[in-house]
Amino acid sequence: NAGVTQTPKFQVLKTGQSMTLQCAQDMNHEYMSWYRQDPGMGLRLIHYSVGAGITDQGEVPNGYNVSRSTTEDFPLRLLSAAPSQTSVYFCASSRWGATNGYTFGSGTRLTVV
Amino acid sequence: QKEVEQDPGPLSVPEGAIVSLNCTYSNSAFQYFMWYRQYSRKGPELLMYTYSSGNKEDGRFTAQVDKSSKYISLFIRDSQPSDSATYLCAMGDPTNTGNQFYFGTGTSLTVIP
Repeated sequence: NAGVTQTPKFQVLKTGQSMTLQCAQDMNHEYMSWYRQDPGMGLRLIHYSVGAGITDQGEVPNGYNVSRSTTEDFPLRLLSAAPSQTSVYFCASSRWGATNGYTFGSGTRLTVV
Repeated sequence: QKEVEQDPGPLSVPEGAIVSLNCTYSNSAFQYFMWYRQYSRKGPELLMYTYSSGNKEDGRFTAQVDKSSKYISLFIRDSQPSDSATYLCAMGDPTNTGNQFYFGTGTSLTVIP
C-alpha cells in the first residue's frame, strides 16, 4: 500500500518555465488537495478536489492549475514559474467526510531561480 | 486573525522531560482536532485525533481539548530524541462542505540526549 506518492522529490526551474507536479493515491480517497509549506507560514491550501471532475480553489491558487480526471491522480501545474513559488509542495488525500485529517505525500521541494 | 495560532518555538528540552505544545483557535465550529508530526524533509503524519472536548491518551502522548477556551494541547511524557520534529495542530469544522482542515504553523521540538 503506497499511500500518497509525489513526484519529483526535487526540482529546480528557471523563471517563466512551466512544469507539472504529480500526485497519485491508491486508497480510493475522494478528497485530494495541494498545499505549499513555507517557513513561518505553515501549510497553505492551493487547490482541492472532492472527486473526479470537480476542483476548487484554496487560499493561494494564483499561478497554479489543477485537474482531476481520475480518482487516483491530482496533478498540479505551474503555468509560468516565479521565484515566489519556491516552496515545498505537499499533496494530501482523505475519504470524503473523514474527520481525522489527511494522508500526506512526502513532498516536492521546488526552487525557482 | 488566523484561524489557528501556534507558537513556532523552537523548543529544546532534555531527554526525559515533559513537553507541552499548544494551539489556540478562533472558530467555535471546530469539532475535530488533530496533531501531526513532521520529521525534517518528510510529509506530516497523523499522531493524535480527538473529537470535541476532553482528553485522549496514546502511550507517551496525551491530547487535550478545551473548547470553552478554544485551546488544545499535546503533552509528551518521557521525551526521546526520536521525538525531535515539528508538531502541527490541525482542526476541522463538520459544517465545512470543502472537507478542509486548518493547520497551525508548527512548533519545532528538539530533544537533547
